[in-house]
Amino acid sequence: GNSVTQMEGPVTLSEEAFLTINCTYTATGYPSLFWYVQYPGEGLQLLLKATKADDKGSNKGFEATYRKETTSFHLEKGSVQVSDSAVYFCALSVIPSNTGKLIFGQGTTLQVKP
Amino acid sequence: DTEVTQTPKHLVMGMTNKKSLKCEQHMGHRAMYWYKQKAKKPPELMFVYSYEKLSINESVPSRFSPECPNSSLLNLHLHALQPEDSALYLCASSQARGLTGELFFGEGSRLTVL
Repeated sequence: GNSVTQMEGPVTLSEEAFLTINCTYTATGYPSLFWYVQYPGEGLQLLLKATKADDKGSNKGFEATYRKETTSFHLEKGSVQVSDSAVYFCALSVIPSNTGKLIFGQGTTLQVKP
Repeated sequence: DTEVTQTPKHLVMGMTNKKSLKCEQHMGHRAMYWYKQKAKKPPELMFVYSYEKLSINESVPSRFSPECPNSSLLNLHLHALQPEDSALYLCASSQARGLTGELFFGEGSRLTVL
């Protein structure tokens, strides 16, 4: 079946530290991979995506590379800010799909301290 | 316009009440979704509408009743809920079910059942 595994949090970093949140997946077919972010009290926002192997998604200083050989999609940022404090969800969707269903990881809480 | 708008943002109801959550999008998307999210957990899919027809019901109790009056609107009717139904209810939309995997989420309706 399809599943996503994220590193457990919470992750606590000081401002300007380097961030890595690990994400691995299992999937049948050809998954597209996503990182969604949820700020406190808000809904989910798409942070970045990659639709095929070796693609790199990037947005707001965050990056993730679709690694088929290691079935991974780790999220990285070179210098985090307090405003990056949020819950980050890795997700996959198998394309083409007859469900449109996103499979989410458990989420990783990031807290950035000044 | 890239927004999914949900109303109300907060709702408190008793176990005998009937209420509705509403969702609207004007992006021309033809698939719409209801998710339920408990604190510190990933969203759980409840229903999927594709071209205004219910295509997926993830074994949701009948006290939750979805409705899609047209391609821009999605409702969730609530009746005889239980305290454990208290959660954040997220609406999402996508271009077409399963086409890209990318979902656009609203900010959610936070429901408290007393």
